[in-house]
Amino acid sequence: AQSVAQPEDQVNVAEGNPLTVKCTYSVSGNPYLFWYVQYPNRGLQFLLKYITGDNLVKGSYGFEAEFNKSQTSFHLKKPSALVSDSALYFCAVRALRKGFQKLVFGTGTRLLVSP
Amino acid sequence: ETGVTQTPRHLVMGMTNKKSLKCEQHLGHNAMYWYKQSAKKPLELMFVYSLEERVENNSVPSRFSPECPNSSHLFLHLHTLQPEDSALYLCASSQDLGQGYGEQFFGPGTRLTVL
Repeated sequence: AQSVAQPEDQVNVAEGNPLTVKCTYSVSGNPYLFWYVQYPNRGLQFLLKYITGDNLVKGSYGFEAEFNKSQTSFHLKKPSALVSDSALYFCAVRALRKGFQKLVFGTGTRLLVSP
Repeated sequence: ETGVTQTPRHLVMGMTNKKSLKCEQHLGHNAMYWYKQSAKKPLELMFVYSLEERVENNSVPSRFSPECPNSSHLFLHLHTLQPEDSALYLCASSQDLGQGYGEQFFGPGTRLTVL
C-alpha cells in the first residue's frame, strides 16, 4: 500500500538559514508526490507536486522539493527561511484504491523559524 | 468567491445537538472529500464523493452523515456527537477521482468543539 513517512515532528531553523523537511515514500509504480502547508486554523494549501520529469520541483513561496528515486525520498527545501514559513507541512502520495485515486498524507512536520 | 469555502468556521455544540457543516467549491471539480484532523493524529479521510455519489466511507460512525446534493456542495450532518469528535473538519475537492494527478484543494476548515 502507498504510504509516506515524515520522520521529524518538528524542525527548528533560524531565519535566513536553509531549511529541509524530510519525507520518504513507499509506492508500487510511479509515485505522484505532493507537499502541502497548513497555517494555524487554516486548511491545507498546495505547495508543489512531482509527477515526472526534473527531480527538482519548484513551488510556491520559494519552496522546492527534490525527488530521489534511489532513496525513495521527496524532501522539501528552501534556501533561506522566513519567520512567516513557520507552519505545519504535510507530504502526501497519490494512492489508487477501488478504481479511484486519493491522497495518503504523512503525519506532518511542524516548522519553527526563529528570528 | 473562489476556491473551497466552509461554514461555519467555528462551531460549539452539545452532545444532544444536531448541526451541519457546509462546504462549497467554486472550481468546477467533480470530487469532494471530508477529512478529520485531530491534534497529534494523521489526517483522516472520512468520506469521498464523485458526481454526488458516495464512493468511500472509512468506517465513520453513523453520527456523521454526509450529503452531496450536487457536485459543488457537500454537507456533513452531525448528531449526538461525543467530546472525542472535537477536531478540525476539512473539506477538499479535486478535478476527478479517476483522472489527473490527484491534487486536492482544501477549504479553511470548521473547528468543532463538542461539550
